[in-house]
Amino acid sequence: SSELTQDPAVSVALGQTVRITCQGDSLRSYYATWYQQKPGQAPVLVVYGKNIRPSGIPDRFFGSISGNTASLTITGAQAEDEGDYYCKSRDSSGVRLVFGGGTKLTVL
Amino acid sequence: QVQLEQSGAEVKKPGASVKVSCKASGYTFSTNEINWVRQATGQGLEWMGWLNPKSGNTGYAQQFQGRVTMTTNTSISTVYMELNSLRADDTAVYYCARTRRIPSTTDVGYYHYYMDVWGKGTTVTVSS
Repeated sequence: SSELTQDPAVSVALGQTVRITCQGDSLRSYYATWYQQKPGQAPVLVVYGKNIRPSGIPDRFFGSISGNTASLTITGAQAEDEGDYYCKSRDSSGVRLVFGGGTKLTVL
Repeated sequence: QVQLEQSGAEVKKPGASVKVSCKASGYTFSTNEINWVRQATGQGLEWMGWLNPKSGNTGYAQQFQGRVTMTTNTSISTVYMELNSLRADDTAVYYCARTRRIPSTTDVGYYHYYMDVWGKGTTVTVSS
């Protein structure tokens, strides 16, 4: 089992706001990094650090942290935001990386 | 542009080894680590390990220790991931990813570590 826990699935109505969470003790010391993956494609970096988005990622994606829970909030979800979202951080040792189990986002 | 080109699909028998390559282009190869991540069909992402092309240093996930070896040939900007003693549950898509390590501008002493460019993946099928 992963040291980072994500809800398996979340849904949101088109244009509404959705939050995807990632829970783990290591998040008290290390930021989460978020990746989006669409079927048949490689993951894409969405957010890292204290809400830093790479060039090309819309500003409707917002990363945050509170205690041992990291969140990726999508404000005004679009159909193209459908996919799997994975958080990534360090494990409890701080040496190795670990991914959360992933959250499947459906935009209704 | 920055690209990672991975080798083609492989079919192996249980107990065999597989070596997947990842050729980088569009950036200075030695300045970024490469991580390997795999994904079984319908499953999540699983981190395997990293390699620093400049030093050759590596770090592996505990579950792959003793079975995986990551190497580099800097003359051709290529990283390799070899997995031995293959089992059916090693059937997966294997990704390489360029990894940036940059100092935080807000948290003194903290380094961000993220995979910003990914290869398209190499399908490895293990079947008798």
